[in-house]
Amino acid sequence: DAGITQSPRHKVTETGTPVTLRCHQTENHRYMYWYRQDPGHGLRLIHYSYGVKDTDKGEVSDGYSVSRSKTEDFLLTLESATSSQTSVYFCAISEDRGTGYGYTFGSGTRLTVV
Amino acid sequence: DAKTTQPPSMDCAEGRAANLPCNHSTISGNEYVYWYRQIHSQGPQYIIHGLKNNETNEMASLIITEDRKSSTLILPHATLRDTAVYYCIAISSGTYKYIFGTGTRLKVLA
Repeated sequence: DAGITQSPRHKVTETGTPVTLRCHQTENHRYMYWYRQDPGHGLRLIHYSYGVKDTDKGEVSDGYSVSRSKTEDFLLTLESATSSQTSVYFCAISEDRGTGYGYTFGSGTRLTVV
Repeated sequence: DAKTTQPPSMDCAEGRAANLPCNHSTISGNEYVYWYRQIHSQGPQYIIHGLKNNETNEMASLIITEDRKSSTLILPHATLRDTAVYYCIAISSGTYKYIFGTGTRLKVLA
């Protein structure tokens, strides 16, 4: 999607290893979000950021941490990956907190924990 | 944020209008109705949103009932590329948390 990129696109990692996913935006949007998508659960919010160094938990934050040291980058870290964290991870950005212009989503990162 | 209910799947003939319903009977006065769609395994894509009035853009029209308890997304001339999962979300101004649910899987048939 224009203005937002996620890396890597695919990753296979072993249980217990740390993993960091990156979301990079060129839109200068204030708000950034990490979601995970699993069959039967739709998209669930993991963490979000409302500014540089300002982050908060979503509905499924256990086992994840985030950092935002620059407006354009929002990192999602799995400190010790588990098989239950096998999922597709989507980053999203928005100019405001949810109303107005809506969210723009990245193309996703498919993470497999073996 | 209000819970939304959508049919799990629908079919539509190519070239015909696709009408996707959404029930949000517990919606409050400051909650907007948003529609997104997700094509195959791509990230969800914003379509349209509204508060009270009907809305139209280049992608679709949104019809919200007068009591705001339900809405309908209309794709006026569905194409095969409109085959996707469509999500209806009700959110209040200032919220961070989109609750997506499982949406409606629309299949456009040739």
